[in-house]
Amino acid sequence: AQSVTQPDIHITVSEGASLELRCNYSYGATPYLFWYVQSPGQGLQLLLKYFSGDTLVQGIKGFEAEFKRSQSSFNLRKPSVHWSDAAEYFCAVGAQEGNKLVFGAGTILRVKS
Amino acid sequence: DVKVTQSSRYLVKRTGEKVFLECVQDMDHENMFWYRQDPGLGLRLIYFSYDVKMKEKGDIPEGYSVSREKKERFSLILESASTNQTSMYLCASSLSRELFFGEGSRLTVL
Repeated sequence: AQSVTQPDIHITVSEGASLELRCNYSYGATPYLFWYVQSPGQGLQLLLKYFSGDTLVQGIKGFEAEFKRSQSSFNLRKPSVHWSDAAEYFCAVGAQEGNKLVFGAGTILRVKS
Repeated sequence: DVKVTQSSRYLVKRTGEKVFLECVQDMDHENMFWYRQDPGLGLRLIYFSYDVKMKEKGDIPEGYSVSREKKERFSLILESASTNQTSMYLCASSLSRELFFGEGSRLTVL
């Protein structure tokens, strides 16, 4: 069965600084990988996804993520953080078969001005 | 745009009550899911359904049941609510592996 680890529970960055949120997964084959964002009081919104092909994927709101098979990682990055990026971010992994996703525990991003 | 609607955003119930959480999607998706979200635990899958009247247990099905009588509607049922079911409940639908979420139902059981 697949699993996801997000090592950082909270991260605080200054507005305008770069951001990297870590995600490590466990799965025997090539996984399907996702990053979702949740603003306070809201549901989850898809930022980006990786199914196959180019290992650097671009998403909405200026986010990107890189799939590194050798490190079993799918880290989320943004070159310059805006105050509106403050939210909780979830990494998720899906198996080759089936439609279930397994989510990490989430990383809460705080942005200081 | 896909819309997943959860009818109740906030509910307060008493221990032992029967609770229904309703979810409706408007995109004719085959798959629907109920997740539970708790701080520090992320989202955990309770049940999912891949077709009308079909359901499968997720990782934490104990204390819950589901109903899917129509393709667009997926209901989560707590037969006898307990305080440890106080949580945020998220419904999602998908056509392939990308999930579309509702805004959540925050349930408090007293």
